[in-house]
Amino acid sequence: SQTIHQWPATLVQPVGSPLSLECTVEGTSNPNLYWYRQAAGRGLQLLFYSVGIGQISSEVPQNLSASRPQDRQFILSSKKLLLSDSGFYLCAWEDRGDTEAFFGQGTRLTVV
Amino acid sequence: GIQVEQSPPDLILQEGANSTLRCNFSDSVNNLQWFHQNPWGQLINLFYIPSGTKQNGRLSATTVATERYSLLYISSSQTTDSGVYFCAAGADKLIFGTGTRLQVFP
Repeated sequence: SQTIHQWPATLVQPVGSPLSLECTVEGTSNPNLYWYRQAAGRGLQLLFYSVGIGQISSEVPQNLSASRPQDRQFILSSKKLLLSDSGFYLCAWEDRGDTEAFFGQGTRLTVV
Repeated sequence: GIQVEQSPPDLILQEGANSTLRCNFSDSVNNLQWFHQNPWGQLINLFYIPSGTKQNGRLSATTVATERYSLLYISSSQTTDSGVYFCAAGADKLIFGTGTRLQVFP
């Protein structure tokens, strides 16, 4: 069966430090991959999605970037974190042709 | 892009009551999902329902694609149903509504 892994679960980082969050999917190949962010008490905002290796679409201008170096690996990065980057980050995947999406357990990022 | 709206934003129920949550979307979709976000933040898949009706225990959902809305029914609510319910819809990517926060009291 398919599983999705996100790490770390929680992270506290100082303003101006770099960021790297990793998401991997097992048990499937060539999935669509997504990064969402949830600010406290609010809905989920789509940040990036990818339909294949090296193919990244950005939904909103921001201080973050995403990369997909391998088929089932999706990485969210920042060179210099801002206070406004704090939030709950969720990775999701879906199979091609079956558009039900499944989410990882999320990373709670606090920028101090 | 597509807009997804949910109502009501908040709902308070006593255990045993029934409720209906609504999701309106602004354009044609080929994916519509309902999620429950637990206290730890994890999104639990409830229904994948771009059209039609599905039932799973005390929960059921109906999507009327031609009228661009979906409904989530919770019957005989329990305290464990508390949390935030999200609708997400889209054609090539999922866009989330702002959620309905449900509180069920004993």
